Amino acid sequence: AQTVTQSQPEMSVQEAETVTLSCTYDTSESDYYLFWYKQPPSRQMILVIRQEAYKQQNATENRFSVNFQKAAKSFSLKISDSQLGDAAMYFCAYTPSFQGGSEKLVFGKGTKLTVNP
Amino acid sequence: SAVISQKPSRDICQRGTSLTIQCQVDSQVTMMFWYRQQPGQSLTLIATANQGSEATYESGFVIDKFPISRPNLTFSTLTVSNMSPEDSSIYLCSVGYAGGFGETQYFGPGTRLLVL
Repeated sequence: AQTVTQSQPEMSVQEAETVTLSCTYDTSESDYYLFWYKQPPSRQMILVIRQEAYKQQNATENRFSVNFQKAAKSFSLKISDSQLGDAAMYFCAYTPSFQGGSEKLVFGKGTKLTVNP
Repeated sequence: SAVISQKPSRDICQRGTSLTIQCQVDSQVTMMFWYRQQPGQSLTLIATANQGSEATYESGFVIDKFPISRPNLTFSTLTVSNMSPEDSSIYLCSVGYAGGFGETQYFGPGTRLLVL
């Protein structure tokens, strides 16, 4: 069974600094998708970034980037120039290759990020 | 991305009663998913709802406790039946959608349920 592990229950960062959140996963699939979701106190799950396993290039979205190491089954999220609005729970998620979002997501337990002014 | 709404946004219910949560999407989608997030925990999939067929439940979740309807391609309901305090959670629906990120899942705002 696929599993997703986030080993950091909590992290903190100073405003404007950079922080990296860790995620490892276990799968026997060769093609799959990985995601980082953000859940602020409002509880809305917001997609931050998405990575397709067959793409070697790491995904980036503005201040958010990932370090995808397929052989090591590692998928870390780097947040640059941290802002107060980045404070939230961050969940790493996995799904096997799918069409039209027809496969379920497997989530890690989450990392609570605090941003200090 | 798809715009997803849920009703109610929150509710406080008495033990033994049932609550039906609605999920509405602004576009037609094949698959809809219902997740539970217990306090301080991650998300766990309850079931997958495909229009025109019975929902598929994950291990540990049964239809009698969490009946689901999927009458069309934009709407689904989840009922939490015979509630107990252990059912106090956030319930989220999600849909698969090919948006700006490519094919992925987007979530509704969630329903926060407290059972007394």
